[in-house]
Amino acid sequence: AQSVTQLDSHVSVSEGTPVLLRCNYSSSYSPSLFWYVQHPNKGLQLLLKYTSAATLVKGINGFEAEFKKSETSFHLTKPSAHMSDAAEYFCVVSRTQAGTALIFGKGTTLSVSS
Amino acid sequence: KAGVTQTPRYLIKTRGQQVTLSCSPISGHRSVSWYQQTPGQGLQFLFEYFSETQRNKGNFPGRFSGRQFSNSRSEMNVSTLELGDSALYLCASGRQGAHQETQYFGPGTRLLVL
Repeated sequence: AQSVTQLDSHVSVSEGTPVLLRCNYSSSYSPSLFWYVQHPNKGLQLLLKYTSAATLVKGINGFEAEFKKSETSFHLTKPSAHMSDAAEYFCVVSRTQAGTALIFGKGTTLSVSS
Repeated sequence: KAGVTQTPRYLIKTRGQQVTLSCSPISGHRSVSWYQQTPGQGLQFLFEYFSETQRNKGNFPGRFSGRQFSNSRSEMNVSTLELGDSALYLCASGRQGAHQETQYFGPGTRLLVL
């Protein structure tokens, strides 16, 4: 069965410092993995996705993630945090190989202080 | 191009009533999925439709049902509402209904059951 585990429920960083949001996955086949962001009172927006092409995936707003099969991880990083990055981040895996159903992690709240 | 739209945006119902939520996907998209978001359970998959057929269903009771019309618009219905059904209901649309493609989320319908 497919699953994702976000290892931190809350991460706090200072503006200008690196961001690391950790995600481990479990999958019985080669998965599709995504990171979505949800700002307060706004909809979910795709940051980036891995679909078995390059293992280092670049997304919007300077975010990137690396797919590591040996570690079953898909951590999200950004070199320098901005105040506008404060939001809830979800690591997501495709539920099946046939269809668009997604399994969401519990989410990581990112706080950015000045 | 217009995004995913959901109506109504807010809804208040009482226990025992039923409710119907509507989702209009991005023009040209053929798949629609529904999710329930609560503080306790996070984001959980409800069901997925493609070309008017339900392809996948999550672990929700039979009180939750849905359908998709020939123009890809979708509705979900919850009968005999319970207090625990209070949640943000999100729908997402996809172009081809493939597991690796990007899902675009609507702003959600916030349902409060009293």
